Amino acid sequence: AQTVTQSQPEMSVQEAETVTLSCTYDTSESDYYLFWYKQPPSRQMILVIRQEAYKQQNATENRFSVNFQKAAKSFSLKISDSQLGDAAMYFCAYKILWNNNDMRFGAGTRLTVKP
Amino acid sequence: KAGVTQTPRYLIKTRGQQVTLSCSPISGHRSVSWYQQTPGQGLQFLFEYFSETQRNKGNFPGRFSGRQFSNSRSEMNVSTLELGDSALYLCASSSHTGPGTDTQYFGPGTRLTVL
Repeated sequence: AQTVTQSQPEMSVQEAETVTLSCTYDTSESDYYLFWYKQPPSRQMILVIRQEAYKQQNATENRFSVNFQKAAKSFSLKISDSQLGDAAMYFCAYKILWNNNDMRFGAGTRLTVKP
Repeated sequence: KAGVTQTPRYLIKTRGQQVTLSCSPISGHRSVSWYQQTPGQGLQFLFEYFSETQRNKGNFPGRFSGRQFSNSRSEMNVSTLELGDSALYLCASSSHTGPGTDTQYFGPGTRLTVL
């Protein structure tokens, strides 16, 4: 069974600083998709970034970037120049096929941003 | 485009009753997935509908069912409610017109409380 582990229940960062959230996953598949979602206190989940396993290049979206280590089954999220609006629960997620939305989520990391 | 909408936003039911939740996907999206979010179990995949057919199903009892209409709107039904069904139920839609179009966009959720 595929599992996703986020070992940091809570993290905090100073505004304008950089923070890295960790995620590891367990799978025997060679092709899969990885995601980071953000869930602010208002509850609506928002996609932050996605990574296809067959792509060696790490995905980036403005201040958000990932460090994808396929052999180590690691998928960390780096947030640069942290802003107050980045405060939220962050979920790492995994799925096997593009046409199968059975997505497995980690338990989440609550990020606090200090002014 | 309007985002994913879910109704109602809040529900209070008693044990043994049944409940129906509704989800309207982003216009043009053909896939709708449902997730249950609880503090104890986190985010768990319930099922996915694509073009009115259930394409994938998570590990939930038969009391949880769903359907999708020709306009892609989806409903989820829970019969014989139990206290443990209290949760935030999230709906997500994706276009699924080909690889790379499977990103899921989430609605705000329906908070179900079972007394």
